[in-house]
Amino acid sequence: AQSVTQPDIHITVSEGASLELRCNYSYGATPYLFWYVQSPGQGLQLLLKYFSGDTLVQGIKGFEAEFKRSQSSFNLRKPSVHWSDAAEYFCAGPRANNAGNMLTFGGGTRLMVKP
Amino acid sequence: DTGVSQNPRHKITKRGQNVTFRCDPISEHNRLYWYRQTLGQGPEFLTYFQNEAQLEKSRLLSDRFSAERPKGSFSTLEIQRTEQGDSAMYLCASSSDSRGKLFFGSGTQLSVL
Repeated sequence: AQSVTQPDIHITVSEGASLELRCNYSYGATPYLFWYVQSPGQGLQLLLKYFSGDTLVQGIKGFEAEFKRSQSSFNLRKPSVHWSDAAEYFCAGPRANNAGNMLTFGGGTRLMVKP
Repeated sequence: DTGVSQNPRHKITKRGQNVTFRCDPISEHNRLYWYRQTLGQGPEFLTYFQNEAQLEKSRLLSDRFSAERPKGSFSTLEIQRTEQGDSAMYLCASSSDSRGKLFFGSGTQLSVL
């Protein structure tokens, strides 16, 4: 089945430290993948997306993600975390081939930032 | 344009009652999606409209659920004979193309007592 999984439910980092959130995918063909962020009481906001081409993708708020076919991963990174980055992060991919924006989401990783 | 708007923000109902939620997408977006999110989980796809046509429904959308988008603008999601298991955040999203950026509303939190 086509799916994305996020192995880490919670992650805590200190402000200013680097961050890496993991996402693994299971697709037959090269998928297109997304990272979304959800702050309390807010809707989900797209951070970045990968369709093809350059495997290192830049997003908003200083985030980047790297698509690694050999590891079936699409991990999200940020070199220096700010307190305002505390939120829930979701990796997503298509539910099926040619599913467009009908996405399947991972279970999410809740990021806490220590002062 | 203020983004995707959902009403109400919160709905508390008793088991067995019917509820209806409304979503107003970004005006120029012809694609509209409903997702459901339970506590501690990622959103799950429910249904998809392109203009007024409902093109896809997931198996999560039982026969108690119905969604409409009568004029290709706003959409409604109705749940009949609500059950406690229906308690969740119902999210609406819209987009202007099939693999572009999804714009999500803040959701309607449903609590079934």
